[in-house]
Amino acid sequence: NFMLTQPHSVSESPGKTVTISCTGSSGSIASNYVQWYQQRPGSAPTTVIYEDNQRPSGVPDRFSGSIDSSSNSASLTISGLKTEDEADYYCQSYDSSNRGVFGGGTKLTVL
Amino acid sequence: EVQLVESGGGLVQPGRSLRLSCAASGFTFDDYAMHWVRQAPGKGLEWVSGISWNSGSIGYADSVKGRFTISRDNAKNSLYLQMNSLRAEDTALYYCAKERSNPRYFDLWGRGTLVTVSS
Repeated sequence: NFMLTQPHSVSESPGKTVTISCTGSSGSIASNYVQWYQQRPGSAPTTVIYEDNQRPSGVPDRFSGSIDSSSNSASLTISGLKTEDEADYYCQSYDSSNRGVFGGGTKLTVL
Repeated sequence: EVQLVESGGGLVQPGRSLRLSCAASGFTFDDYAMHWVRQAPGKGLEWVSGISWNSGSIGYADSVKGRFTISRDNAKNSLYLQMNSLRAEDTALYYCAKERSNPRYFDLWGRGTLVTVSS
């Protein structure tokens, strides 16, 4: 079964840049688009990146996404970190049967 | 207002059944695929099931296949999840999510309904 693996947690200081990785277990992660969702405590997820590197309207350009086929991974990069960016981040894609797949989530701490 | 409102959660004994509902408003419901995503307490998101706009394509996670059934009633702007043979590991907050079609991603989520499976 296709799985997405993320680091459990990352931390960085305000104003810095952080990158969260999402590695596909098999096949090519480039076969289906990757999305990234932000979830703050007590709230439903919201989309910060869709189709690997596109931002929904209202998401600041401090958020960017990319794909690295050589490592079969996707990345979410947040620059100019703000305390409000502290949240859980999930990557998401689809398997070969078109079923949704989420990564395990990464807790971002901005300290 | 564009929103999804889940209902039907609660405390249920192992082996019993529960039916979740999701009421959609503020958008053309039958234009979109819909999904259920769950989150166990303190854990990550898990995709549970999805259904296409016309119910012609349905999928389930391996963890619920054969026990859960997703359905929709476009006339009532509603999505459902029939959950049978519930297990303790099904305890979670269940979110209803709308899938935007092009580009494809979950662009609207409800607040969730909590299902607790315990004796």
